[in-house]
Amino acid sequence: SQQGEEDPQALSIQEGENATMNCSYKTSINNLQWYRQNSGRGLVHLILIRSNEREKHSGRLRVTLDTSKKSSSLLITASRAADTASYFCATRTSGGYQKVTFGTGTKLQVIP
Amino acid sequence: NAGVTQTPKFQVLKTGQSMTLQCAQDMNHNSMYWYRQDPGMGLRLIYYSASEGTTDKGEVPNGYNVSRLNKREFSLRLESAAPSQTSVYFCASKEMTGLENYGYTFGSGTRLTVV
Repeated sequence: SQQGEEDPQALSIQEGENATMNCSYKTSINNLQWYRQNSGRGLVHLILIRSNEREKHSGRLRVTLDTSKKSSSLLITASRAADTASYFCATRTSGGYQKVTFGTGTKLQVIP
Repeated sequence: NAGVTQTPKFQVLKTGQSMTLQCAQDMNHNSMYWYRQDPGMGLRLIYYSASEGTTDKGEVPNGYNVSRLNKREFSLRLESAAPSQTSVYFCASKEMTGLENYGYTFGSGTRLTVV
């Protein structure tokens, strides 16, 4: 099974609402990253949070990390139609060399 | 624009045919990677190259070979394509080994169908 698993698998919200996606993982990590993928395109790196950090912000994005629960959440505030995409978490496990494991993604639809 | 360039964007192969997927980055990154993306499976690492002159197997290397031609280029070869290799292939690169403040930069992908 995947190291990182996102929840929910799909999410549909109205423009202007907040969107929250969760990621759970199994083993100790060095860092956790979130990526966005628009349909038919490559992944775009959004934000990286290290294992010793609890919260990080970037524009309308807020990421939290709870290493005791082995989980992370991505919050997109005041969503826009352009935020419609799939969002993936990726974990770099402690001790693993140059290997990052991706989850299966949350498909977000923002309705105008 | 700086980034990761993959060619071709689309390819249809017959079972048993061979082909090479090309990837080049112009960001002077040391590390390069090949992933495949299948529905419901997320991205899985095929091979990676931590630096020029080195390559290592990832999670799903069987049926593939790679070449790190120079610092810019990292190619993926399918010697004898199988229908199970139908997938979208992504190349990615990263700033530096051991420096974990950076994420990956991905190419736009190659959509491969093996019939």
